[in-house]
This record gives sequence, structure tokens and C-alpha cells, in this order.
Amino acid sequence: DAGITQSPRHKVTETGTPVTLRCHQTENHRYMYWYRQDPGHGLRLIHYSYGVKDTDKGEVSDGYSVSRSKTEDFLLTLESATSSQTSVYFCAISDTGGLGLDTQYFGPGTRLTVL
Amino acid sequence: QKEVEQNSGPLSVPEGAIASLNCTYSDRGSQSFFWYRQYSGKSPELIMSIYSNGDKEDGRFTAQLNKASQYVSLLIRDSQPSDSATYLCAVEGNKLVFGAGTILRVKS
Repeated sequence: DAGITQSPRHKVTETGTPVTLRCHQTENHRYMYWYRQDPGHGLRLIHYSYGVKDTDKGEVSDGYSVSRSKTEDFLLTLESATSSQTSVYFCAISDTGGLGLDTQYFGPGTRLTVL
Repeated sequence: QKEVEQNSGPLSVPEGAIASLNCTYSDRGSQSFFWYRQYSGKSPELIMSIYSNGDKEDGRFTAQLNKASQYVSLLIRDSQPSDSATYLCAVEGNKLVFGAGTILRVKS
């Protein structure tokens, strides 16, 4: 998993509670991404970061926020978890992040269940 | 219309056969194309990338790109049971978009 860890790996929580997922990399890559993966939808981008404190929204960002205070850490927060956010969450990193050469490497994933 | 479309499968092939996985995309400006393999319960891993029209070979894998037809494919020669996985097509224009994946099952 290319020096990427995610924590926790599994989490069960209740509707309305805040949840924070952590992605940690040891590759010193500039770009970091959060995706969710659901059956029939493939991987969908939630948020991404192109540097410390530089983040932007993806296609499914509603209900999620992110922070990146250090190159190696990218946090995803569900402000108030809903059952529709039950999913598998993947973090990815990229050295280029730009057009044409965006090879992304994925972390092991976090399985989140919201009851 | 989805931006990147794949047949969900499952595609079943016998061991030793050629598996052909297909992907179409809608953004004509797309420049980069990737195939990821994902085993059940695991994370996606990059197996092929292609940027120019034509074929690109890497071992038993061949990626084929036809930008005029907005079509990219992955051929797996001499398929093995260990190739059984979900194959994700990803297309990059001004953003990287993934298809939902095709399940491949190789029967021994």
C-alpha cells in the first residue's frame, strides 16, 4: 500500500455523531485524496489536497470536511454522520497530481457503518 | 450518461484464455487512461496506464486506446485464477474519474 496507512480500519457509529478518519503517508507526496466506494458507483472523489492547508472539493463533498496540517496527514471528518455515508473510504496519494501523469496509490481503506 | 462506463460483469473465462475488459468514456478531452485491479476487500492497485492511441503491452497485460471511439480496453492473456478481481477503468481529463468496475472470474 505504498507507505499509506488509514485509521481506523473499521468503525461502527450512530447517526448524528461526528467521525474523523485519518490518512497517513510516509512517501512525502504532495497530493492526497479521499474517495468513497459504493456498489455500482465505483470510486467517487470527496475532497483532495494539493499541499499543506490547501484543499478542494470533489464530486461528493456534501457532509464532509477535510484538513491537512502536515504533509503526511490528511483527515476526513463527517460532521454529523448519516446512514447514506455508510461506505468504504479510501485515501490515495500522488506525486504529480496534474494532468496526464496522475498515478494514484491507495491506502488499505476504512469500512464505516453508520447505524 | 456516466462519464466512464464499464460492464459490471461478472466476466467468466477459463484458465489460459484471453480476458477482454472494456471501458468507454464521455470526455473527448481526456488524456490519460488507467487500469486498476482490486481484489475483494482490498484497495485498488495500478496495473496499466496508457496515454497514446494504440496498444501498450506489459507482460500478460495489453491496454488498447482508441480516442476517436472514446474506448479503452484491457486484455489479459493466459488468464490465471489469481487474475480474478474487479478491474477499474480510470480516465483523466481535468479530473480523474473511475468506472464502477468489471468483475472478472477465471475458472480453473
